[in-house]
Amino acid sequence: DVKVTQSSRYLVKRTGEKVFLECVQDMDHENMFWYRQDPGLGLRLIYFSYDVKMKEKGDIPEGYSVSREKKERFSLILESASTNQTSMYLCASSRTGPITDTQYFGPGTRLTVL
Amino acid sequence: ELKVEQNPLFLSMQEGKNYTIYCNYSTTSDRLYWYRQDPGKSLESLFVLLSNGAVKQEGRLMASLDTKARLSTLHITAAVHDLSATYFCAVDMIHQAGTALIFGKGTTLSVSS
Repeated sequence: DVKVTQSSRYLVKRTGEKVFLECVQDMDHENMFWYRQDPGLGLRLIYFSYDVKMKEKGDIPEGYSVSREKKERFSLILESASTNQTSMYLCASSRTGPITDTQYFGPGTRLTVL
Repeated sequence: ELKVEQNPLFLSMQEGKNYTIYCNYSTTSDRLYWYRQDPGKSLESLFVLLSNGAVKQEGRLMASLDTKARLSTLHITAAVHDLSATYFCAVDMIHQAGTALIFGKGTTLSVSS
């Protein structure tokens, strides 16, 4: 089974702190994604990556950065956390190939910024 | 801008009834995905629809895709309580370097006896 794990299920941080959210997948997937999920807004894409050291902005990249130094790991960084970044963060991965594959999601990290 | 719209956003059903969730999208795409999310949990893949006219069924759920109408439906037959969840549809969005998904806002289904 594909497994996508996220470093924390719940996280509480203070405004201005630097926050790291880690995501690891064990299926050698090329593609990795970070979303945030808010009530009434669904899932919105923050950043994604198609290869090591590669990143692409999604729909709402402002206030976030990412890092992908190894194929299995994709990190989301909040440089200076703000209260409007309180949300559920979901990581996903998928493979690249001739047949479109679905995305596999991690359990999510619920981040609260005070 | 690619938009994915689901309706209804909230659906309260009685057990044993049938209903359909609709997913409209605003760009040409041959691929559409349905996911399920239980409260407090992550998303689980239900269906991947890869071409016009594709139909897939799993238990009491059946999904179909009409790429000409830019419409997918998720039909629920004889609903049971275990189907209570939020259902998302998503469509491929082509970026320069690859493909990402754009999600609808989700349909929260509540099945009661």
